[in-house]
Amino acid sequence: DAKTTQPPSMDCAEGRAANLPCNHSTISGNEYVYWYRQIHSQGPQYIIHGLKNNETNEMASLIITEDRKSSTLILPHATLRDTAVYYCIVRLGASGTYKYIFGTGTRLKVLA
Amino acid sequence: DAGVTQSPTHLIKTRGQQVTLRCSPISGHKSVSWYQQVLGQGPQFIFQYYEKEERGRGNFPDRFSARQFPNYSSELNVNALLLGDSALYLCASSPFSYSNTEAFFGQGTRLTVV
Repeated sequence: DAKTTQPPSMDCAEGRAANLPCNHSTISGNEYVYWYRQIHSQGPQYIIHGLKNNETNEMASLIITEDRKSSTLILPHATLRDTAVYYCIVRLGASGTYKYIFGTGTRLKVLA
Repeated sequence: DAGVTQSPTHLIKTRGQQVTLRCSPISGHKSVSWYQQVLGQGPQFIFQYYEKEERGRGNFPDRFSARQFPNYSSELNVNALLLGDSALYLCASSPFSYSNTEAFFGQGTRLTVV
């Protein structure tokens, strides 16, 4: 199964951009990259996903390298409420059958 | 709109007992997946069900089983509980067209085996 590698922890100043890297060098061509976050052992919350192109939504931006072996999640203006564990995930499977392969995540701490 | 609901939120069981966890997906979602999250680790895939059929199974022993009902709700059963089964059990639902969409997670059931 494709695996993701993330730094275990990062700090970011409040109001600054948080850039969270992820390596997924064994990803296959039809496998999506997803990002979720988890706060205080609640259920993971969806952030963004992409296949090849860069993506942006109201929460974040996702930058995927051309060879698709790595990606970066960008939170443009981090707030204290963004403190959480962020998971970079490769979604495996074919139509009708999918599963998320979670890594160990990055614990992001936003500092006041 | 109601999100994914799981019950119970917490429970404590003794080694060797059996447990049933329940999940109600978001209305209109036909796919349900189960994940186990041991403290300090990322969630691990256990099962996926779609249209009441098992579509995927992770690397878990046969003590773990699940089913999906006609209303698309789901149950996860674990027999002969071990201390190592203590974890947060997460349910995720997704709509029919799953190719380019996200799964929505419930808040989980915290199982403690003593």
